Amino acid sequence: DAKTTQPPSMDCAEGRAANLPCNHSTISGNEYVYWYRQIHSQGPQYIIHGLKNNETNEMASLIITEDRKSSTLILPHATLRDTAVYYCIPRDGTASKLTFGTGTRLQVTL
Amino acid sequence: KAGVTQTPRYLIKTRGQQVTLSCSPISGHRSVSWYQQTPGQGLQFLFEYFSETQRNKGNFPGRFSGRQFSNSRSEMNVSTLELGDSALYLCASSSERHSYEQYFGPGTRLTVT
Repeated sequence: DAKTTQPPSMDCAEGRAANLPCNHSTISGNEYVYWYRQIHSQGPQYIIHGLKNNETNEMASLIITEDRKSSTLILPHATLRDTAVYYCIPRDGTASKLTFGTGTRLQVTL
Repeated sequence: KAGVTQTPRYLIKTRGQQVTLSCSPISGHRSVSWYQQTPGQGLQFLFEYFSETQRNKGNFPGRFSGRQFSNSRSEMNVSTLELGDSALYLCASSSERHSYEQYFGPGTRLTVT
């Protein structure tokens, strides 16, 4: 599995965009980039995933660099409920397991 | 559609005992995975079951085992409990069509004393 590097913590003001970076320089060609988050005392929640194109859904946008060595998760208008630990996870498209790193603890403040 | 349910939510056991945790996946999901979460090691994959067969296994000792029933419900068992087994045990289910998205339950908090 590819290794990831994420900042341990970030702050964001409510209503502003939260941009969470992830470095995955050893990602292989068949590995997608998945993002999950874990709100305190809950199980992780799927956010978005992508291979090489930028992706957007109702929760977030995912920007993957052309060389696929890094990506950025964007929460366009962060709210207090987005306070959570965010995990960037490279994963083979056929694999079932998720390998969680340490993630980024995002604190959204008023 | 009901989410993933796990029972019990909290459990206290003594060293040396064994414990069985239960997970009911989302209706129609045939894949069930188990994870252990501790402050020191974070979230770690235990194993995955699909159609009553273990399809993938993490790096845990043989004291950790699981099974899946024909209705896709799954149980995991930990024998000869150790203090280090105190953790949040999470179950996740996914469908064949959207295997990329795992839905997690709220977890079972196990405390070993």
